[in-house]
Amino acid sequence: RKEVEQDPGPFNVPEGATVAFNCTYSNSASQSFFWYRQDCRKEPKLLMSVYSSGNEDGRFTAQLNRASQYISLLIRDSKLSDSATYLCVVNDNYGQNFVFGPGTRLSVLP
Amino acid sequence: ETGVTQTPRHLVMGMTNKKSLKCEQHLGHNAMYWYKQSAKKPLELMFVYSLEERVENNSVPSRFSPECPNSSHLFLHLHTLQPEDSALYLCASSLEWPNPDYEQYFGPGTRLTVT
Repeated sequence: RKEVEQDPGPFNVPEGATVAFNCTYSNSASQSFFWYRQDCRKEPKLLMSVYSSGNEDGRFTAQLNRASQYISLLIRDSKLSDSATYLCVVNDNYGQNFVFGPGTRLSVLP
Repeated sequence: ETGVTQTPRHLVMGMTNKKSLKCEQHLGHNAMYWYKQSAKKPLELMFVYSLEERVENNSVPSRFSPECPNSSHLFLHLHTLQPEDSALYLCASSLEWPNPDYEQYFGPGTRLTVT
């Protein structure tokens, strides 16, 4: 089983739609979790950290379920500019390893 | 701007060439990383440096040789590469390592093509 798995995508949604991505991780000792976004031919950039209690940043909501070992990202009222690949990142082994998922590609259509 | 710069942005090299990739971070971080991103694959961690000392080497072939002369600069020396080494090479930094709470900041990457 891969360490971090994500919905394969691509997700093609109309503007204004709500879309959710899931990510699962295999190491139950994982300690911190992040969502990054990567635009085409650009570097990954931090979108948000994921906290145990869940957190929200504008139209973006991240949730963590430690018991089931999954993380989710919800995007509401999607914009054309949200089109990107979303990378789930898990940090484990007391911070020694950043493990990236393969990414889920989102295309928001006009 | 993320505060992490990389040069060159694009590089084409033959299998017998020697070249170097350069990374510089202006964030005052103590940890720096090299990643490889191939098409349709997750980012692969290659090397980690903490306070200029190499702390991780993820079974990377010896044709890739990192160097960290100070906490702001990181190099990746390349020699006798193979076509399958063609990829986007990303440098990143974080405040410290190991620490699970600090996110990584990435440079724009060097797109390498080996012919």
